[in-house]
Amino acid sequence: KAGVTQTPRYLIKTRGQQVTLSCSPISGHRSVSWYQQTPGQGLQFLFEYFSETQRNKGNFPGRFSGRQFSNSRSEMNVSTLELGDSALYLCASSLRGDGETQYFGPGTRLLVL
Amino acid sequence: GENVEQHPSTLSVQEGDSAVIKCTYSDSASNYFPWYKQELGKGPQLIIDIRSNVGEKKDQRIAVTLNKTAKHFSLHITETQPEDSAVYFCAGQSGGSYIPTFGRGTSLIVHP
Repeated sequence: KAGVTQTPRYLIKTRGQQVTLSCSPISGHRSVSWYQQTPGQGLQFLFEYFSETQRNKGNFPGRFSGRQFSNSRSEMNVSTLELGDSALYLCASSLRGDGETQYFGPGTRLLVL
Repeated sequence: GENVEQHPSTLSVQEGDSAVIKCTYSDSASNYFPWYKQELGKGPQLIIDIRSNVGEKKDQRIAVTLNKTAKHFSLHITETQPEDSAVYFCAGQSGGSYIPTFGRGTSLIVHP
């Protein structure tokens, strides 16, 4: 089975712009989670989707949003980018997300200038 | 909610030595504890996991132990090799939660 894929792998944006990141889960997986990883804060949970519904949301401002499509692919969007949004954004998928193993993608490295 | 603490934040060992990383959790309902290894420029990869009905699990040079009473679990790597150098994350998750809670990570450096 192919693993979790994320596109793009690298992205450079300027403050005030918006960005959309994409994640394709492992085939058959219906739960997709997003994390922000920075050196100082570790892995911080953004949100989790299952069957096109957001089930859980972390403590991030409304500028961070996401969605999931019927084929379980997911996108996350960050509007009005700030310098502090520079981070590695990781997507993880699992079958149902209920106490199961999450499998991570390689991440999208976002740099905001 | 769950809180997972991980120690040490950095661990430096000589090739061939053993390495131990410890995590504690707060939610007694947590019953699934995965460990991830993250190499530079890559996403975290699952290396071993344990559920609360098991006290120990081994896979070649790595093992995980779980003490439910004390609410702590540990990762043991024996005969370390330079390619074991990476950041290791522990996590705890309860059956009713859809997402795991991660520790802050341990940077393991294995010197040849």
